[in-house]
Amino acid sequence: AQTVTQSQPEMSVQEAETVTLSCTYDTSESDYYLFWYKQPPSRQMILVIRQEAYKQQNATENRFSVNFQKAAKSFSLKISDSQLGDAAMYFCAYRSRADGVQKLVFGQGTRLTINP
Amino acid sequence: DARVTQTPRHKVTEMGQEVTMRCQPILGHNTVFWYRQTMMQGLELLAYFRNRAPLDDSGMPKDRFSAEMPDATLATLKIQPSEPRDSAVYFCASGNWGRGLRSPLHFGNGTRLTVT
Repeated sequence: AQTVTQSQPEMSVQEAETVTLSCTYDTSESDYYLFWYKQPPSRQMILVIRQEAYKQQNATENRFSVNFQKAAKSFSLKISDSQLGDAAMYFCAYRSRADGVQKLVFGQGTRLTINP
Repeated sequence: DARVTQTPRHKVTEMGQEVTMRCQPILGHNTVFWYRQTMMQGLELLAYFRNRAPLDDSGMPKDRFSAEMPDATLATLKIQPSEPRDSAVYFCASGNWGRGLRSPLHFGNGTRLTVT
């Protein structure tokens, strides 16, 4: 079964600095997608960024970028110029077509605190 | 901006009572998920519908939980009888999932259930 592991339950960073959240996954599939979702205190799950397994180029969305290392099964999220509004739980998620059924499997999450 | 709508936002009930949570997926989306979020277990997949047909409900306690889609605009998750261990935030998410894997899930704001 596919599993997603976020080894950092909590992280903190100074405002305006850069922080990297780690994520590893376990799969035998070759075709899959990876996502990072943000959950602020409002509980809303917000898509931050996504990466296709077949693309070598790392995805970027404004201040958010990923470091996708397919061989190592690693998918870290880098937040540059951290802002107070970035404070949230961040979930790494994996989607594939295992056994003919598509699912979105989540990691346990990392709580990010931004220090002013 | 289309959204997934969940009701109620909060629900407090006594052990043994029936609880029904409702979800209106985004119009045109063919896939609906129910997730449960707790501090201990993180985000757990409960059930998954494609074109209103249940595809996977292996994550759901069958003796007390049931999930249905009576029509394309409504998904329900019912707990009968409820127990204190069911206390959690329940999320509905919808997506337009086809053969590709790129499309994300769009989440509702969740129902926070407290069973006393």
